[in-house]
Amino acid sequence: EAQVTQNPRYLITVTGKKLTVTCSQNMNHEYMSWYRQDPGLGLRQIYYSMNVEVTDKGDVPEGYKVSRKEKRNFPLILESPSPNQTSLYFCASSPLGGPSNQPQHFGDGTRLSIL
Amino acid sequence: GQQVMQIPQYQHVQEGEDFTTYCNSSTTLSNIQWYKQRPGGHPVFLIQLVKSGEVKKQKRLTFQFGEAKKNSSLHITATQTTDVGTYFCAADSNYQLIWGAGTKLIIKP
Repeated sequence: EAQVTQNPRYLITVTGKKLTVTCSQNMNHEYMSWYRQDPGLGLRQIYYSMNVEVTDKGDVPEGYKVSRKEKRNFPLILESPSPNQTSLYFCASSPLGGPSNQPQHFGDGTRLSIL
Repeated sequence: GQQVMQIPQYQHVQEGEDFTTYCNSSTTLSNIQWYKQRPGGHPVFLIQLVKSGEVKKQKRLTFQFGEAKKNSSLHITATQTTDVGTYFCAADSNYQLIWGAGTKLIIKP
């Protein structure tokens, strides 16, 4: 089954404790992206990757890191999480060309609470 | 940067009534996508509009792209409980999608 898998689905942690949210897709998509969703703000892009070893900042990259060492994986790293990073996070992927002309396929989301 | 304004934020309807959400941009859009997010779920792609004045239908859903490619709308005829969720528009901007804030469709009990 074609899917985007995120882990964990839920996480409660404390300020300053490094965490990683994993994202994996089995559709051989070149483009992958991370979003955060906050009430009333829609989805805001954190980082995206056009292909392996190519990553770019989205609209809200501060406090986040990503890597794209393999085509299927695109982890999101919070080196020193803070309470304002409490949010619902989505990973998404799409074929070559990105979302310009291709639909994005989303994971089920990761709800992070930073205390 | 580019922004997409989406209104209304919420719409309460009786089952069987119609629902419409609108997206507007100050700049010309190359294309626009529509997604639906069910409560507790993730966004799911509905459709992409590319051509000026384009109108596409999916059963009870009608999607329109303005002649100037600066606005778009989604209209649902005779809403059903399965339509409940938040509807987002998203515009392409240099390999990124710029998302509207979404319109939440609520069916009155």
